[in-house]
Amino acid sequence: ELKVEQNPLFLSMQEGKNYTIYCNYSTTSDRLYWYRQDPGKSLESLFVLLSNGAVKQEGRLMASLDTKARLSTLHITAAVHDLSATYFCAVDIWKVSGGGADGLTFGKGTHLIIQP
Amino acid sequence: ETGVTQTPRHLVMGMTNKKSLKCEQHLGHNAMYWYKQSAKKPLELMFVYSLEERVENNSVPSRFSPECPNSSHLFLHLHTLQPEDSALYLCASSRGGLFLYNEQFFGPGTRLTVL
Repeated sequence: ELKVEQNPLFLSMQEGKNYTIYCNYSTTSDRLYWYRQDPGKSLESLFVLLSNGAVKQEGRLMASLDTKARLSTLHITAAVHDLSATYFCAVDIWKVSGGGADGLTFGKGTHLIIQP
Repeated sequence: ETGVTQTPRHLVMGMTNKKSLKCEQHLGHNAMYWYKQSAKKPLELMFVYSLEERVENNSVPSRFSPECPNSSHLFLHLHTLQPEDSALYLCASSRGGLFLYNEQFFGPGTRLTVL
């Protein structure tokens, strides 16, 4: 069974600070996804990481993937209030059967609050 | 309309009612999904459809019945639900097929309350 663990689950930080969210998963996979969810809203896709050593950056967010360690990180640089949200990582395993469609297994999410 | 839409956005129903949730994707995708998000659990996959065929049923009780009449529409039919079924139900779609990755795009969700 594929399991995905995120930590921390809750993070309160001040604007201008840096921090990292960690995502560990239990089964070999080279497809990892990061999503953002604002309160009362749906999930917004942030990053898709497809190979070992993959790094992607968008604004103050940077995601990386280490498939050997089964670990992905989401790094926040010089946080601003607008980044307050819940961040989810998710993993799937590519398979030929099922037409290539597969549900994602999500972590519990990291609830991030950035205070002025 | 763009992206993935869901109706209704909010639904209150009694345990003896029958209702349906509707999802429509405008992205030209071939795969669609239902997820359940409740306060106490991570996002849970319920059903997967690829090219209108169900490819996965993640041990969901029979009081939830999905229907995918074409690659753009997905329904979730509800009957004799329990209060613990109250949650946010999210629909998603992805390219499917033998595409390299499975990035899923989510609708706004239906907030369901079962009395």
